[in-house]
Amino acid sequence: KAGVTQTPRYLIKTRGQQVTLSCSPISGHRSVSWYQQTPGQGLQFLFEYFSETQRNKGNFPGRFSGRQFSNSRSEMNVSTLELGDSALYLCASSLVPGLTNEKLFFGSGTQLSVL
Amino acid sequence: SQQGEEDPQALSIQEGENATMNCSYKTSINNLQWYRQNSGRGLVHLILIRSNEREKHSGRLRVTLDTSKKSSSLLITASRAADTASYFCATDSGGAQKLVFGQGTRLTINP
Repeated sequence: KAGVTQTPRYLIKTRGQQVTLSCSPISGHRSVSWYQQTPGQGLQFLFEYFSETQRNKGNFPGRFSGRQFSNSRSEMNVSTLELGDSALYLCASSLVPGLTNEKLFFGSGTQLSVL
Repeated sequence: SQQGEEDPQALSIQEGENATMNCSYKTSINNLQWYRQNSGRGLVHLILIRSNEREKHSGRLRVTLDTSKKSSSLLITASRAADTASYFCATDSGGAQKLVFGQGTRLTINP
């Protein structure tokens, strides 16, 4: 069974641009969560999707958005990039949403560098 | 702010020794999880302990939970070079239905 797949693995953008990151969950998993990881702030929860609906959202500005497709694949978008958006963006999938007694399966992440 | 805080931030030991990492949290929890992350990669789930459990084992891993002190510890016995990684605790932040991660402990095993 394939794991969580995130593309691209690395991305370099300049300030003001926008970026779209993709995540394919483990087959059969319908919940996808996104996290931002930086050395200073650690792992910060961005949002969670289930059945194409956003179920939970972290404290990030509206420049950060996401969506989920009918096949459970998810994308997140960051518009008007800032230097501080440079981070490792991690996607995680689980069988069901919101039940924190479920373990998360993480992808390898997308390393975004904003210049 | 982070729900969980790991201690120490960094730990360096010799191969074969035991490694102990601690996690403290602020609000009541339903369960606590530990994850491992190799440099620049995704996190891998290690173990989950529920609030009504005090201790749990998985191979060379032993996790304890003290809800009265709002703390947990992860013990790795007979460490190996392959255990070099960052270790994170994650809690459900008082029922917020999302996992909140601590800052992590960076563990280095010296051969």
